[in-house]
Amino acid sequence: AQSVTQLGSHVSVSEGALVLLRCNYSSSVPPYLFWYVQYPNQGLQLLLKYTSAATLVKGINGFEAEFKKSETSFHLTKPSAHMSDAAEYFCAVRSQNTGGFKTIFGAGTRLFVKA
Amino acid sequence: EPEVTQTPSHQVTQMGQEVILRCVPISNHLYFYWYRQILGQKVEFLVSFYNNEISEKSEIFDDQFSVERPDGSNFTLKIRSTKLEDSAMYFCASTNRGRNEKLFFGSGTQLSVL
Repeated sequence: AQSVTQLGSHVSVSEGALVLLRCNYSSSVPPYLFWYVQYPNQGLQLLLKYTSAATLVKGINGFEAEFKKSETSFHLTKPSAHMSDAAEYFCAVRSQNTGGFKTIFGAGTRLFVKA
Repeated sequence: EPEVTQTPSHQVTQMGQEVILRCVPISNHLYFYWYRQILGQKVEFLVSFYNNEISEKSEIFDDQFSVERPDGSNFTLKIRSTKLEDSAMYFCASTNRGRNEKLFFGSGTQLSVL
């Protein structure tokens, strides 16, 4: 069975500081991995996805994530936080070839950005 | 960018009543999903739907739940007899191809069961 674990339900950074949101996955088959962002009172929007091409994936709004198979990780980073980055971030996994088409989400990490 | 539309945005109902949550997926999409998010908790998969039938469902999606695509554009989630614990934000999502494609989410329906 697939799953993702997000370390830290809340992360607080200062504006301009590095953002690091952690995600570890569990999958018996090669996974597709995603990061979604949720702003208040909105649905989830895709930030970036890993689909077994480049291991370093660049997404929207300056975010990127690196797939590390040896560590089963897919951490999300951004060099310099902006106030508008304050939101909830979800890591998600989907199997490449089994288990139907469902995407499994992590518990989410709420990012706070301090002025 | 095309959008998934969900109505209503808020639904209040009495315990034991039936509710229907409505979604209009993006027109050329083929795979449809319902997720729910209880306040402060993770986004949970409920059901996926493809080729006019359920392709997968979670343990949450019991006999009280059903989905339908009645007219080729709408995709509905029905809860026959609501319980207090059904109170959550329900998200509809769709995608047009396979596993590596992103999900397009609607803005959600906040269901409150009193």
